[in-house]
Amino acid sequence: GIQVEQSPPDLILQEGANSTLRCNFSDSVNNLQWFHQNPWGQLINLFYIPSGTKQNGRLSATTVATERYSLLYISSSQTTDSGVYFCAARYNTDKLIFGTGTRLQVFP
Amino acid sequence: GAGVSQSPRYKVAKRGQDVALRCDPISGHVSLFWYQQALGQGPEFLTYFQNEAQLDKSGLPSDRFFAERPEGSVSTLKIQRTQQEDSAVYLCASSYGPNTEAFFGQGTRLTVV
Repeated sequence: GIQVEQSPPDLILQEGANSTLRCNFSDSVNNLQWFHQNPWGQLINLFYIPSGTKQNGRLSATTVATERYSLLYISSSQTTDSGVYFCAARYNTDKLIFGTGTRLQVFP
Repeated sequence: GAGVSQSPRYKVAKRGQDVALRCDPISGHVSLFWYQQALGQGPEFLTYFQNEAQLDKSGLPSDRFFAERPEGSVSTLKIQRTQQEDSAVYLCASSYGPNTEAFFGQGTRLTVV
């Protein structure tokens, strides 16, 4: 079946550090989204990025659809960045298939 | 509305009870999705509507789960004869149309005791 895998599963950083989260998908995607799930469970939209590169403040994302991966970059991490990061891919059907998530903890 | 709204935020049900979870999508959004998220896991797809048509219900775990969206706006997810394994957060999402950015509500945390 269709697979969406994320790495690393867990990441611990000191405030101010940079990090890269990876999302691999097993087939060509129609689109891809990155979410941050905060400690209260809310899924917050970060990027809608079927291809190319986007930036929003300290965060940026790149999707290389032909090579079936997407990267999320977090620079100068802050404690408020803590939580779980999910990528989710859409294939031929309209449903989003979520990855396994990366749990990020940022310590002061 | 400004965002996807779900109610109730929390629900405690006794085993065997029926529950109904409500989702108000963003105004004008055609597509609506339901997901189930167990503790420590990623969201798992349950069902998808385009307007009032339920186009995919392949993720519903059993015939105790039923979803409807009769007027193409508000949707209700109903779980009959709840069991402990139904305990999870139920998330609703909407998007403007097929293959567009999806936005999630805050979820309903269901605990079956």
